[in-house]
Amino acid sequence: GAGVSQTPSNKVTEKGKYVELRCDPISGHTALYWYRQSLGQGPEFLIYFQGTGAADDSGLPNDRFFAVRPEGSVSTLKIQRTERGDSAVYLCASSPRPLGDTQYFGPGTRLTVL
Amino acid sequence: DQQVKQNSPSLSVQEGRISILNCDYTNSMFDYFLWYKKYPAEGPTFLISISSIKDKNEDGRFTVFLNKSAKHLSLHIVPSQPGDSAVYFCAASSGGGADGLTFGKGTHLIIQP
Repeated sequence: GAGVSQTPSNKVTEKGKYVELRCDPISGHTALYWYRQSLGQGPEFLIYFQGTGAADDSGLPNDRFFAVRPEGSVSTLKIQRTERGDSAVYLCASSPRPLGDTQYFGPGTRLTVL
Repeated sequence: DQQVKQNSPSLSVQEGRISILNCDYTNSMFDYFLWYKKYPAEGPTFLISISSIKDKNEDGRFTVFLNKSAKHLSLHIVPSQPGDSAVYFCAASSGGGADGLTFGKGTHLIIQP
């Protein structure tokens, strides 16, 4: 079946602009995760949804970052007033149930803030 | 402070030999561990996992060993194949795997022909 998909694959924006990154999880997966990967680092956890609600948003770096999952499927990560330090690959993952299950990753969105 | 550490940025192994990738962690609350493989411009691909109630899990050419007292895990790949060349990430979570994962920085494995 189809895996996790993310759009766009690449996004270039200017400092101060607003961006939205979209994630389509694997059908039927109830848990959805967002991560950010900077060059030379491992992925860094941002936020986790169980259904429609954010179960853990402790990884969001500041209030410029926000994510939603209104119908419990597709999720959007929103970044306001982008800064050059936000440049990274943003990864989305989903898993079929919350406990003891593997997270399956999408290909990521490469965000470049000029 | 890094809670999951992969101290070898790169590792070169001859085709057919065993590859051993190491990972150390500091958070004693971690109870679920995973290894992911990543090719350039792709997302991480799940390889194998282990719960803290076990000390070994095997899947084909891949075996993960967990030493809880030493807070250390390792991934063994045998025999190593050219397609195994990639970056390998160790990841850990608490809450039985439900929480967000904490990743190491990765080890770039190069399989020499």
